[in-house]
Amino acid sequence: ETGVTQSPTHLIKTRGQQVTLRCSSQSGHNTVSWYQQALGQGPQFIFQYYREEENGRGNFPPRFSGLQFPNYSSELNVNALELDDSALYLCASSWEGAGEKLFFGSGTQLSVL
Amino acid sequence: SQQGEEDPQALSIQEGENATMNCSYKTSINNLQWYRQNSGRGLVHLILIRSNEREKHSGRLRVTLDTSKKSSSLLITASRAADTASYFCATELNTGGFKTIFGAGTRLFVKA
Repeated sequence: ETGVTQSPTHLIKTRGQQVTLRCSSQSGHNTVSWYQQALGQGPQFIFQYYREEENGRGNFPPRFSGLQFPNYSSELNVNALELDDSALYLCASSWEGAGEKLFFGSGTQLSVL
Repeated sequence: SQQGEEDPQALSIQEGENATMNCSYKTSINNLQWYRQNSGRGLVHLILIRSNEREKHSGRLRVTLDTSKKSSSLLITASRAADTASYFCATELNTGGFKTIFGAGTRLFVKA
């Protein structure tokens, strides 16, 4: 049990719509990263937030945006959904005491029709 | 592009056998981690090895790191059916911010 929860677990959207995915980390985990994982692939880094500021970004377009809140929760927002956005979205949190170790949630499975 | 690439892509063995997975990476690293994922769920951290270490053990896991070849291997000894999962290596890059990058993974199937 990592103490990281994601909601919803499954979601179906239509192309062009917008979606917000949520993640709740353990108290004290001031770093959160979001990943996109297509079927049969490894997780692809979207971005990382540290103390509510973006601290690194992968090769994802601006329609992927995020927020981190003081209560250790965070959001991933995706605008103008495309069919290729269908994937498992994972959030991972950490804190300085854990070093580089990431604690993952179980993910949100997004299907875009 | 992937920083780490695992080999083989898939591995099928009998229970009790050893499983070896390899990871190659492209740039200099401070450390390398291995994670496990059960059928599309979240990843679980297994072990971290630092760039100044050559070998590390944790239970039935043995990880080696060869920085001159930019490669690492994960050995699972005396495998069990419950070890069936995908295994990923991960490295941390600092390019305008920190990011942990994962490879494509090795899918391990242990037959009972």
